[in-house]
Amino acid sequence: QKEVEQNSGPLSVPEGAIASLNCTYSDRGSQSFFWYRQYSGKSPELIMFIYSNGDKEDGRFTAQLNKASQYVSLLIRDSQPSDSATYLCAVNMRVPRDDKIIFGKGTRLHILP
Amino acid sequence: GAGVSQSPSNKVTEKGKDVELRCDPISGHTALYWYRQSLGQGLEFLIYFQGNSAPDKSGLPSDRFSAERTGGSVSTLTIQRTQQEDSAVYLCASSLSVQETQYFGPGTRLLVL
Repeated sequence: QKEVEQNSGPLSVPEGAIASLNCTYSDRGSQSFFWYRQYSGKSPELIMFIYSNGDKEDGRFTAQLNKASQYVSLLIRDSQPSDSATYLCAVNMRVPRDDKIIFGKGTRLHILP
Repeated sequence: GAGVSQSPSNKVTEKGKDVELRCDPISGHTALYWYRQSLGQGLEFLIYFQGNSAPDKSGLPSDRFSAERTGGSVSTLTIQRTQQEDSAVYLCASSLSVQETQYFGPGTRLLVL
């Protein structure tokens, strides 16, 4: 069973602190990893993607990938109330005869003013 | 450029009626995906298309659900004999290929009375 696991939360973080969101995946052969943000009542929107081991930074966001341990993280520095949303991790998985992207169920993040 | 569009944005129907939901992907995107999201829940994968073919229909909940894609572009998701448990937001996404970033449409909010 190909799986992407996330803690459902809610994760509560004080404004200005670092929010750390984690995701583990089951397919050791996965190559593409994505973080999406979804505000309540809205569609998911891409924040970052990462393909290589290590860190990738974009503004206040840093994605961290560790293929050996099969986890990918998203760090949000200087958290703002506008960062309160559900964060979805997505990973490409190899299934028989095909590749597909599998989404986790998401972590609800609440930034406390 | 235009993003993914979906129509209708909202649909209210009576139990037992058929409904048809439409998705216009981003031009040039070969992969197209349908998801369902119930209130407060994660994304439920339904089906995806690579071109006009659907390699993976495993997520369709029952034989009342069907989808097609023509001309490698527009897709329709049809739900026959709707039930109250079909009420949800139906999201469409497209990507350049199956391993790449998915871009989501605004969704169709379906309510079955």
